Amino acid sequence: DVKVTQSSRYLVKRTGEKVFLECVQDMDHENMFWYRQDPGLGLRLIYFSYDVKMKEKGDIPEGYSVSREKKERFSLILESASTNQTSMYLCASSLNSGPSYEQYFGPGTRLTVT
Amino acid sequence: AQTVTQSQPEMSVQEAETVTLSCTYDTSESDYYLFWYKQPPSRQMILVIRQEAYKQQNATENRFSVNFQKAAKSFSLKISDSQLGDAAMYFCAYRSAGTGGGADGLTFGKGTHLIIQP
Repeated sequence: DVKVTQSSRYLVKRTGEKVFLECVQDMDHENMFWYRQDPGLGLRLIYFSYDVKMKEKGDIPEGYSVSREKKERFSLILESASTNQTSMYLCASSLNSGPSYEQYFGPGTRLTVT
Repeated sequence: AQTVTQSQPEMSVQEAETVTLSCTYDTSESDYYLFWYKQPPSRQMILVIRQEAYKQQNATENRFSVNFQKAAKSFSLKISDSQLGDAAMYFCAYRSAGTGGGADGLTFGKGTHLIIQP
């Protein structure tokens, strides 16, 4: 059974803090993704990675960076958190092959920046 | 860039009845994948059903089926015999088949909140 876990379900940070969101998958997936989910906007892709140390910008990368030092772990970094980054963050992973490259999602981290 | 539109922010259906959620998309590509994902309240997003654009036959998964109209760029989800456990946010999503071996993100619609009336 595919499992994608995220380090925190809820997180409260102050403006200007450096924030790390961690995601781990246990299915040896090559691809990992970070999305942001906001009411009325759906999910939007922030960054993705197709291999260790490789990363690609998604649709809304501004204000974020990522790190993938190990295949199973993909971190999202907010260098200086701002209130407009208050949101639900979802991590996902997928294989590089298989039926339509289904993405498996983690439970999400609800981040509040005050 | 591709866009996905879900025109129904909220839908309500009586338990045991059938409901159809709408999704349209815009793309210039000929080969792609379409998905419906379900996000129950405070729970993980899970895949409901997928459709490969090159397949003419509509996908079905038990009570869930799609009406895929490639020319019209329409991809609706039909839920038959609705159950209380079907209550969730439903997201339509698009992925290009052309690049990356799967390493492309999904483009999501804004979602439809489905309410099941007992």
